[in-house]
Amino acid sequence: AQSVTQLGSHVSVSEGALVLLRCNYSSSVPPYLFWYVQYPNQGLQLLLKYTSAATLVKGINGFEAEFKKSETSFHLTKPSAHMSDAAEYFCAVSNSGGSNYKLTFGKGTLLTVNP
Amino acid sequence: DAMVIQNPRYQVTQFGKPVTLSCSQTLNHNVMYWYQQKSSQAPKLLFHYYDKDFNNEADTPDNFQSRRPNTSFCFLDIRSPGLGDAAMYLCATSSGGRFVLSGANVLTFGAGSRLTVL
Repeated sequence: AQSVTQLGSHVSVSEGALVLLRCNYSSSVPPYLFWYVQYPNQGLQLLLKYTSAATLVKGINGFEAEFKKSETSFHLTKPSAHMSDAAEYFCAVSNSGGSNYKLTFGKGTLLTVNP
Repeated sequence: DAMVIQNPRYQVTQFGKPVTLSCSQTLNHNVMYWYQQKSSQAPKLLFHYYDKDFNNEADTPDNFQSRRPNTSFCFLDIRSPGLGDAAMYLCATSSGGRFVLSGANVLTFGAGSRLTVL
């Protein structure tokens, strides 16, 4: 079985501050990991994905995430928050084993950016 | 632009009155998914089609059905909506093989259909 835990359902930062959204995963085989973003009343869009290549993954809009196997983590960061980053962020895991090719999502973290 | 389109964006229905939500795609992806997303919860997979092969999740209620008449279209039917079925319903697509690195496939989502049950 695979699962994702996102620490903190709500994160609030000031514009220009560091963004750090935490994600820990559980998987019995090497995972594929994803971050998706959801703006209000919209579907999910892919920010970035890890598929066993480089452990530091760069995504769109200045976001990046680092895969740390020893910590079973895949935290999302951005050096300087922008007002347009306010959205809900979902971490997700899948793998190539059996039925686990399907995505399992975390509960999401709502990011608020204050002026 | 190639995309995934969901209709309607907002649907209001009465308790027990059947509802159909539609999803169309121009990506020519062979896999289509339906997710249910309730407020402050993770999107939950209801079922998916791999080509015409229907795959139901074990905990998806019988009240939820789906049809895929061709590659481009997929429908979600809720036969007798209850108050607990109020949610955002997300359609997504992906391409690639089921058993070969398919876990790495990226899903493309539509904007969602928000269902309100009165």
